[in-house]
Amino acid sequence: DSGVTQTPKHLITATGQRVTLRCSPRSGDLSVYWYQQSLDQGLQFLIQYYNGEERAKGNILERFSAQQFPDLHSELNLSSLELGDSALYFCASSALPVGGEASYEQYFGPGTRLTVT
Amino acid sequence: GIQVEQSPPDLILQEGANSTLRCNFSDSVNNLQWFHQNPWGQLINLFYIPSGTKQNGRLSATTVATERYSLLYISSSQTTDSGVYFCAVEQSNFNKFYFGSGTKLNVKP
Repeated sequence: DSGVTQTPKHLITATGQRVTLRCSPRSGDLSVYWYQQSLDQGLQFLIQYYNGEERAKGNILERFSAQQFPDLHSELNLSSLELGDSALYFCASSALPVGGEASYEQYFGPGTRLTVT
Repeated sequence: GIQVEQSPPDLILQEGANSTLRCNFSDSVNNLQWFHQNPWGQLINLFYIPSGTKQNGRLSATTVATERYSLLYISSSQTTDSGVYFCAVEQSNFNKFYFGSGTKLNVKP
């Protein structure tokens, strides 16, 4: 168990709908990352938040948005869903680099499997 | 962005055999991690290894950052080692994490 929790585990919805995926980072971790794993695109970085602020952006569609709340949990909102948005969505968290470290190890949650029909 | 290439894409082993998985990357990195994705989709951390060598039981990894590659060694493979092994890197100064396309390992009894 990585200590990162994600809900729900599975989600089935129709095209055009909007869903919200939730992530709680490991205790003490300030950074949260979102990833999408689809059959054709592989694992792709979407976005990173650090202590409530957006820190880096990857291949995130304009229909998608995310935020990190004061209690450090994060939500990924997916709207106007298309069939191609069906994928496994992962959240990861890491600590703040300190003492000269440029980066810290990321720990992944179990993922949310989204199926758009 | 940085290119991350993993080889081989597929690997079939008999139980007890050893194997080496490779990850090449095209630019300097702050972070390199190896993951095992099990049949249930869970990404399990194997190593955090931006440089140097680490060992954990039957698994070990080496990253030569100056030559931009990393190797994952699996010794005495077991059927439970089956799954997909991913290498992922964080490109220096970009705060973005890039995954390779993975090596799919099938260990037969």
